[in-house]
Amino acid sequence: AQSVTQLDSQVPVFEEAPVELRCNYSSSVSVYLFWYVQYPNQGLQLLLKYLSGSTLVKGINGFEAEFNKSQTSFHLRKPSVHISDTAEYFCARDGGNTPLVFGKGTRLSVIA
Amino acid sequence: DGGITQSPKYLFRKEGQNVTLSCEQNLNHDAMYWYRQDPGQGLRLIYYSQIVNDFQKGDIAEGYSVSREKKESFPLTVTSAQKNPTAFYLCASSISQNSNQPQHFGDGTRLSIL
Repeated sequence: AQSVTQLDSQVPVFEEAPVELRCNYSSSVSVYLFWYVQYPNQGLQLLLKYLSGSTLVKGINGFEAEFNKSQTSFHLRKPSVHISDTAEYFCARDGGNTPLVFGKGTRLSVIA
Repeated sequence: DGGITQSPKYLFRKEGQNVTLSCEQNLNHDAMYWYRQDPGQGLRLIYYSQIVNDFQKGDIAEGYSVSREKKESFPLTVTSAQKNPTAFYLCASSISQNSNQPQHFGDGTRLSIL
């Protein structure tokens, strides 16, 4: 079965500092990868996706992620965070013949 | 605007009761999903459906049941057999269950036991 590991359950960061949220995925011949954001008491919203092509993927709200096949990683980055980025972030990969497989989430707390 | 509507937003259940959570989508998506979210555990798949009148168990189906009589609707029933039903429940849909398709989520229903 496919799997996703989010290496940090919580990441505190000061406002306007850069942030990286780490995600590793189980290796397979092909892979499709996603990052979602969840604000309190809401559903998940798609930030970005990697299907093929360029390894640097740009998403909404100034986030980007880099697909690294050799390290089986898909880390999410933002050069300067805002208070409004405080949320939980989920990495996901395709499940092959089954639905998306989600990591356990990383809670990003932006400190003023 | 197209989207997924979950209702109610908050739901309370007495011990021994069955309750049904509603999920409706107007995105014309074929596939629909139910997840349970508990703090620190991410999303766990309960049931999913690829087409009308068909559904499959996910990782934690025990104590839950679903139906898919219409493309737009995928209600989830939490039965009295589910011993720990307090959680945040999320419904999602995708164009198809092709592996490169992202899922779109509703805003969830929070279920609590009285």
